[in-house]
Amino acid sequence: EVQLLESGGGLVQPGGSLRLSCAASGFPFSTYAMTWVRQAPGKGLEWVSIISGSGTSTYYADSVKGRFTISRDTSKNTLYLQMSSLRAEDTALYYCAKSSGNYFHWYFDLWGRGTLVTVSS
Amino acid sequence: DIQMTQSPSSLSASVGDRVTVTCRASQSISSWLAWYQQTPGKAPKLLMYEASTLESGVPSRFSGSGSGTEFTLTISSLQPDDFATYYCQQYKTNPYTFGQGTKLEIK
Repeated sequence: EVQLLESGGGLVQPGGSLRLSCAASGFPFSTYAMTWVRQAPGKGLEWVSIISGSGTSTYYADSVKGRFTISRDTSKNTLYLQMSSLRAEDTALYYCAKSSGNYFHWYFDLWGRGTLVTVSS
Repeated sequence: DIQMTQSPSSLSASVGDRVTVTCRASQSISSWLAWYQQTPGKAPKLLMYEASTLESGVPSRFSGSGSGTEFTLTISSLQPDDFATYYCQQYKTNPYTFGQGTKLEIK
């Protein structure tokens, strides 16, 4: 079955760190770019970061640049998001998504169910 | 950054109605536009990409049009499962920005 399963969310204090994981199955993981999108409670969708299929290219939203790091492990078919210096405004449901399209023109055609990150003291 | 603006922000309609949602980009994005549907408590689902290409498995009552800066999503005859929030997203360049969403509610 083609699916994405996120994990690693939880409650963390401001300034803390957290690593999210996204386990992929049912498709050739290394062939596709992968992305993280977040959704604050009751709000819309915000793109966070994307990594190319090879892992050599990464891009970030300005709101997380310098604090978050996206990576992937093709041997484990897993995508990661290392988050540090967390702020209250990072509180959101974090989705991973498989990214299709042409080089640098990526849309998101398969989404996981999300993992909730809450930043609060 | 490219700003995406959807209108209306919310819309009330009845089963069987034809509805249209508009998405405007702050600069030309050619046809690099996708539409997503999100129902409460669920992940977004891709409906359309390249402005007018229907994703596999999506009912044909959904259609998309436009290029440049103005785009539309049309549902030809609303079904009960269609009451959801719809988002457009540009993927011409990063950051890959989304519209603020259009909530489609039952009248």
